[in-house]
Amino acid sequence: EAAVTQSPRNKVTVTGGNVTLSCRQTNSHNYMYWYRQDTGHGLRLIHYSYGAGNLQIGDVPDGYKATRTTQEDFFLLLELASPSQTSLYFCASSVAGTTSAETLYFGSGTRLTVL
Amino acid sequence: AQKVTQTQTSISVMEKTTVTMDCVYETQDSSYFLFWYKQTASGEIVFLIRQDSYKKENATVGHYSLNFQKPKSSIGLIITATQIEDSAVYFCAMRTSSSFSKLVFGQGTSLSVVP
Repeated sequence: EAAVTQSPRNKVTVTGGNVTLSCRQTNSHNYMYWYRQDTGHGLRLIHYSYGAGNLQIGDVPDGYKATRTTQEDFFLLLELASPSQTSLYFCASSVAGTTSAETLYFGSGTRLTVL
Repeated sequence: AQKVTQTQTSISVMEKTTVTMDCVYETQDSSYFLFWYKQTASGEIVFLIRQDSYKKENATVGHYSLNFQKPKSSIGLIITATQIEDSAVYFCAMRTSSSFSKLVFGQGTSLSVVP
């Protein structure tokens, strides 16, 4: 079973604050993703990566940076957090991107509140 | 651009009955994959079932099945003999051959199964 671990589980910061969300997968998956979940919008892709050092822009990237330091670790960075970034963030991974059939494995989520 | 739409915000059904959740998608690609995911009350997101666009047969896994209507760009999720533990949020998602590294999600449908 694929394992994706996110930390922290909950985070509260203030407007303008600096936040880093962490994600680690231990199954040698190539692809890793960051999604945000908001009521009425479902899951929206922020950034993704197909390997260490690689970063691809998703559908809602504004205000977010990300970095893939190793095959296992993917970080989401909010350098000037705003209340609009209050959301539930999910990290996910998948085996390969060369076939569209691969499913995603999700972490447990990080709930971020920006005051 | 790819788009997935779930118009049913919430559904409530009696236990042991059958429920269908709707999903329509938009894509210019001739090859694509459609997925359904379940998010439990704890927030965990798990993969349920997949339909490949080139397959005419509807996918079935346990008491989950799909109603794939390609001419209508529709992929409904059918749950038969519903159980209380089927209460969750269900997401429809799509990945296409031209954008194989990205999974696009719908807004989600909240299902409540009552005794």
